[in-house]
Amino acid sequence: DTGVSQNPRHKITKRGQNVTFRCDPISEHNRLYWYRQTLGQGPEFLTYFQNEAQLEKSRLLSDRFSAERPKGSFSTLEIQRTEQGDSAMYLCASSLSVGGNTIYFGEGSWLTVV
Amino acid sequence: GDSVTQMEGPVTLSEEAFLTINCTYTATGYPSLFWYVQYPGEGLQLLLKATKADDKGSNKGFEATYRKETTSFHLEKGSVQVSDSAVYFCALNSGGSNYKLTFGKGTLLTVNP
Repeated sequence: DTGVSQNPRHKITKRGQNVTFRCDPISEHNRLYWYRQTLGQGPEFLTYFQNEAQLEKSRLLSDRFSAERPKGSFSTLEIQRTEQGDSAMYLCASSLSVGGNTIYFGEGSWLTVV
Repeated sequence: GDSVTQMEGPVTLSEEAFLTINCTYTATGYPSLFWYVQYPGEGLQLLLKATKADDKGSNKGFEATYRKETTSFHLEKGSVQVSDSAVYFCALNSGGSNYKLTFGKGTLLTVNP
């Protein structure tokens, strides 16, 4: 049973560049979530998908952020024109929509904007 | 809105000591409650959960009881090990369809040999 997989695990980018993170959820999970975690804080919800539909976006998800899940399987999170304040760990998670829906997290993608 | 308040860390204990990490919450409706653990450089792992009042979640010697009357979900372990050193997050799910987690800020636990 493979868990939630994220890549790249680490990314250092210059301010103003675009970055993209990929998430592969647990195969039978129809829900996929993105969270952001900064140092010393708990994860904060960004957005979630049920199958290919993006059903909610947090106010934290500015216009520079876009997430997709085109075929209801893997997802990408793109950040355009990165800023230093975007430096954080981006966590992906997945769950079923029924049956207790425990949410399982990946190991995260660290972003450092210099 | 929903919120989770955790005991501030860091918490430093000697091996075999008793652990309590306090967690209280504010939520509408009847949330499910969770403890997640994060080891250095890694993502979150579900440690235990409870879905209704008076439920006790337990795993790896850790346990927590869902107390509706005190809106609490304190994490306990009778005898900690060095390998328990990590950050512990209390969380609740919110929304009618239980799809979104709200986390506390986390409590860093260091266990010394």
